[in-house]
Amino acid sequence: EAGVAQSPRYKIIEKRQSVAFWCNPISGHATLYWYQQILGQGPKLLIQFQNNGVVDDSQLPKDRFSAERLKGVDSTLKIQPAKLEDSAVYLCASSLGLEREAFFGQGTRLTVV
Amino acid sequence: GDSVTQMEGPVTLSEEAFLTINCTYTATGYPSPFWYVQYPGEGLQLLLKATKADDKGSNKGFEATYRKETTSFHLEKGSVQVSDSAVYFCALGDSGYALNFGKGTSLLVTP
Repeated sequence: EAGVAQSPRYKIIEKRQSVAFWCNPISGHATLYWYQQILGQGPKLLIQFQNNGVVDDSQLPKDRFSAERLKGVDSTLKIQPAKLEDSAVYLCASSLGLEREAFFGQGTRLTVV
Repeated sequence: GDSVTQMEGPVTLSEEAFLTINCTYTATGYPSPFWYVQYPGEGLQLLLKATKADDKGSNKGFEATYRKETTSFHLEKGSVQVSDSAVYFCALGDSGYALNFGKGTSLLVTP
């Protein structure tokens, strides 16, 4: 079974630029999560989708971050404009439903300079 | 809201030593605890989980028992190997919402 796919693996941008990350969840998984993992910390939830609807985006900085999950499959996370403090690994995860076991992708490491 | 506290690292052990990584939490509702592991250069992987009080999760020689009375889910392994070197995250799931992670504990096992 293929895992959660994310791209790109690495991205370096200058502050105030924009960037987008892509995630393809495990086939059949209705729930999709985006997490932000700052160096030395645990992952922090940014947004949770159930199919193509948002379940929780309370910790998403909506002035600069946006995410969508069209057709309830793939998802993109965008940052515009980026700040230095956005440097982190962005993790995508999926699960069969509103359950607790999530499967994670390898993440996208973003460096903002 | 829910919170997870795990012991700070790094933890350095010799091969075959006994490992304990403490994890405690505060939560409303009926949470389920998890341990995830992140090996160098890899993504987060589920190590083990528990779904009800006094459940013992186990995998790859690791064990953790869900203690509701002490709100704890400590990770243990009787004899660690060099290949166990990784970062270990305690996490809490509650009523279908996303996992809430601790800060992680880095483990280095030396030969």
